[in-house]
Parts: sequence; C-alpha cells; structure tokens
Amino acid sequence: AQTVTQSQPEMSVQEAETVTLSCTYDTSESDYYLFWYKQPPSRQMILVIRQEAYKQQNATENRFSVNFQKAAKSFSLKISDSQLGDAAMYFCAYRSDTDKLIFGTGTRLQVFP
Amino acid sequence: DTAVSQTPKYLVTQMGNDKSIKCEQNLGHDTMYWYKQDSKKFLKIMFSYNNKELIINETVPNRFSPKSPDKAHLNLHINSLELGDSAVYFCASSQTGWRKTEAFFGQGTRLTVV
Repeated sequence: AQTVTQSQPEMSVQEAETVTLSCTYDTSESDYYLFWYKQPPSRQMILVIRQEAYKQQNATENRFSVNFQKAAKSFSLKISDSQLGDAAMYFCAYRSDTDKLIFGTGTRLQVFP
Repeated sequence: DTAVSQTPKYLVTQMGNDKSIKCEQNLGHDTMYWYKQDSKKFLKIMFSYNNKELIINETVPNRFSPKSPDKAHLNLHINSLELGDSAVYFCASSQTGWRKTEAFFGQGTRLTVV
C-alpha cells in the first residue's frame, strides 16, 4: 500500500524568507501524481502545486516550487519570499493509478513578520 | 460559481441521530469522494464513486452510507451517530482517465456529535 510521510509537524519562517517542507512517499507504482495542498484556518483545501511522476522537470507555480526526486521518493515544497498569507497547514498527497488520493499528516507553517 | 459545494457547513446533533451531508459538483468530473479529517487534521479517504459506481470503500462502519443519484452528486448518510464521528467531512471531485485532474474540495462540513 502507498504511504505518504511528512516528518515536520510544524515549521516557521520569517516573512520574505524561504522555507522548505519535506515529504516522502512509498509506492511500487511507476505512474502517479503528487500534490501539495494548503489548508488555511478557513479549512478550505487549496491546491498549491502538482507534479506528474513521468515528468522529470520540477513543477513551479510563482513562489512555490517542488524538488521531485523520483528514485528517492521525495517531494519537497519550497516557498520563496514567504508571506503572512502562506500560514496554513500544508498536506502532501499521492494519487495512485487507481485515483486514490492519500495524504500525509500535514505540516503547520507559521509565518512571522 | 462554487465548483464543489457541500451542505451544511456545520452540523451539531445528538448521539443516536441520523444525519445527511449533501455534495454537488459542477465541474463535469466523473469521480467524487468523501474524506474524513479528524481532530489531528489527518485526512483519510472513506469512499469514492466513479460515474455513480462505488469504487473505493475503505474500512468505514456500515452506519455510513454514500449515495450517488447522478455523477454530479454524492451524499453521505450517517445512522446512529456516535461521539467518535465528530470530525470535518470533505467532499471532493476529480476527473480520471486520460484527462486526470487534481481533486477539488468542498468547504467541509464540521460535524459535532454531543
């Protein structure tokens, strides 16, 4: 069975600085998708970024980028120029070939002014 | 226009009652899901439906029964509510097959059983 591990329950960053959130996963599949979702206090789940496993190029979305290491089964999220509005729970998620979405336990990100 | 909407947003009820949460998506997706988020924020899939057919049924008590009248709707009915059912329940939808998309989530329903 696939698993997703986020080893950092909490992280903090100063405004305008850069922070990296870690995620590792375990799977025997070769074709899958990985996502980072953000959940602010409003509890809405918001997609931050997605990565298809067959693509070697790391995905980027404005200030958000990933470091996808397929062989190491690692998928970290880098947030550059952190803003107060980035404070939220961040969930790493794995979508299998059978379309099952499996989440990590989340990382709570605090942003200090 | 809300893509995935669930009602109600908040639900407070007594133990032993039966309640339903409704979910609708207007994205034209073929798959819908129910997730449960517990007090520690852990998100776990409960069910998924593809074109009204049950695809995933995780180890969930049979007091929980999903119903999909059409591919745009997936409702969750819970019988004989227990204290441990208190959680936030999220509905989501996605497109599968060659046009795969990410999952889009509703705003969640916070269920409190007293």
